[in-house]
Amino acid sequence: GAGVSQSPSNKVTEKGKDVELRCDPISGHTALYWYRQSLGQGLEFLIYFQGNSAPDKSGLPSDRFSAERTGGSVSTLTIQRTQQEDSAVYLCASSLWLMNTEAFFGQGTRLTVV
Amino acid sequence: KQEVTQIPAALSVPEGENLVLNCSFTDSAIYNLQWFRQDPGKGLTSLLLIQSSQREQTSGRLNASLDKSSGRSTLYIAASQPGDSATYLCAVSGMYSGGGADGLTFGKGTHLIIQP
Repeated sequence: GAGVSQSPSNKVTEKGKDVELRCDPISGHTALYWYRQSLGQGLEFLIYFQGNSAPDKSGLPSDRFSAERTGGSVSTLTIQRTQQEDSAVYLCASSLWLMNTEAFFGQGTRLTVV
Repeated sequence: KQEVTQIPAALSVPEGENLVLNCSFTDSAIYNLQWFRQDPGKGLTSLLLIQSSQREQTSGRLNASLDKSSGRSTLYIAASQPGDSATYLCAVSGMYSGGGADGLTFGKGTHLIIQP
């Protein structure tokens, strides 16, 4: 596609429910990143993929968070048993290669846990 | 652990002025530095990417410099316009995860307002 696409753009969910956030990177980009931006806070790095592989999952906030990428393309970030502190904007980015190339961001998914 | 600091946190200037936004980082072992702008409720738009071997990059009215040894970058905006109002974010891509990449480390941004 022309840019990084994220869906849904907004999601309101009840505490305790599971949510799945989707990211479609730019076609041909091998690296994909997930970030979280909480109100008034900076961007927090969550996880990156090189192809379908995520070598380091230590940035995920808790074991309720998981992410996968299939076919070297679409990625999903899943949050189980959502909590109010999970409310944030979740941003996805992709780049041609893992290092030394420009990162392009999607518009984000605004998650509100009520 | 890499830390990125942006000064000032907020800036308000009249239209037409030239201005400089500052970014500093603690670990000079970086692959590149990238400047983004973020409009309210939107994602990030990439403005400029400077590789670690480069000193500066220019795009239109924007010029970004990089002094890797001192851990500093500046974003210069010439002849500012109201449409430049946004939050400007600086991010570095590092070598500090055992040779792997742990993504971009962001500063908290400079909130810029250009007064018409």
